Amino acid sequence: GENVEQHPSTLSVQEGDSAVIKCTYSDSASNYFPWYKQELGKGPQLIIDIRSNVGEKKDQRIAVTLNKTAKHFSLHITETQPEDSAVYFCAASIHTGGFKTIFGAGTRLFVKA
Amino acid sequence: NAGVTQTPKFQVLKTGQSMTLQCAQDMNHEYMSWYRQDPGMGLRLIHYSVGAGITDQGEVPNGYNVSRSTTEDFPLRLLSAAPSQTSVYFCASRVDATNEKLFFGSGTQLSVL
Repeated sequence: GENVEQHPSTLSVQEGDSAVIKCTYSDSASNYFPWYKQELGKGPQLIIDIRSNVGEKKDQRIAVTLNKTAKHFSLHITETQPEDSAVYFCAASIHTGGFKTIFGAGTRLFVKA
Repeated sequence: NAGVTQTPKFQVLKTGQSMTLQCAQDMNHEYMSWYRQDPGMGLRLIHYSVGAGITDQGEVPNGYNVSRSTTEDFPLRLLSAAPSQTSVYFCASRVDATNEKLFFGSGTQLSVL
């Protein structure tokens, strides 16, 4: 089955700096890669996703890149703000009929003001 | 719309007790699932359902039962609670097989003593 590894487990940055979180996956059939943000006491929320036919996707200060050959994908947050402090999860699944979304272990991001 | 509603928010059980975690969604989503969240292990899929009357196992199904008699509800049953089931449980739904975005509830924190 699919296995997703995520690094680092904890990341501390200064406000305004960039943050990068990296994930690798094992199943070459996976073709959908979402990122979820979990704030304290809440359930995860989707912040951005990418499909395997796309190498990069941006949405304001966040971007995701995918290297399908190497089976890794990354989340980039630029100009970090204190409200970006949260736990971030990467995940992988198979589009259309893939019912098992497999998550990484999570990265706790601290943005220091 | 309330989205995905989980009850209770907190629960303490003694070893061997049984209980049901409730999950309801009002978005008419076909797909529903249960995850458990443990420190350093991310979100692990317990069971999922692709529609009323259909359920299947995820990564860590042992010790848990589910049923899906209606589109709206997807309860998770612990028949004989064990300390290893101490965790935060999240219910999630998505529209159908072609739309992978997951909508999470706010979680149930379960402690088994």
